[in-house]
Amino acid sequence: AQSVTQLGSHVSVSEGALVLLRCNYSSSVPPYLFWYVQYPNQGLQLLLKYTSAATLVKGINGFEAEFKKSETSFHLTKPSAHMSDAAEYFCAVSEGTGGFKTIFGAGTRLFVKA
Amino acid sequence: GAGVSQSPSNKVTEKGKDVELRCDPISGHTALYWYRQSLGQGLEFLIYFQGNSAPDKSGLPSDRFSAERTGGSVSTLTIQRTQQEDSAVYLCASSLGGAMVAQHFGDGTRLSIL
Repeated sequence: AQSVTQLGSHVSVSEGALVLLRCNYSSSVPPYLFWYVQYPNQGLQLLLKYTSAATLVKGINGFEAEFKKSETSFHLTKPSAHMSDAAEYFCAVSEGTGGFKTIFGAGTRLFVKA
Repeated sequence: GAGVSQSPSNKVTEKGKDVELRCDPISGHTALYWYRQSLGQGLEFLIYFQGNSAPDKSGLPSDRFSAERTGGSVSTLTIQRTQQEDSAVYLCASSLGGAMVAQHFGDGTRLSIL
């Protein structure tokens, strides 16, 4: 069965600092991996996704993530944090076999300090 | 174009009452998902519909929860005999179908059980 673990329920960075949000997955088949962002009182929006093409995936708002099969990881990074990046971030995994069910991690709330 | 629409945005009801939550997916999207988001719990998969296939109900927490999708479009999530632990934000998402396809989320229904 597939699962997702996000390390750190809260991450705090200073404006301009590197953002690193960690995600590890478990899947019995090659997975499809996603990062979504949720702003207060809103639904989730797609940041980026990995679908077995390039292992380094670039998304919106300067975010990127690297798929590392050997580490079963899909960490999200951004070189320089902006105040507007403060939100909750969810990593998700889905498998192409047996249906389209998507499993989400518990989320990491990002705080950006001025 | 219109995104995923959920109604009501907020619902307050008394313990033991039945509630219905509605989701209007993006036109043409064949897949529809329901999730429950509790504070600090991430997104909990409830059910998904894909075209005319039998829905995957594996995430429904009890037989008090049910969902239907009429005409391959609008979906209703029904919770019978509500309990206080049902208080959460219920999110609906739709997609074109497929494990590698990103989901588009509504803003959710915040359900409070008194």
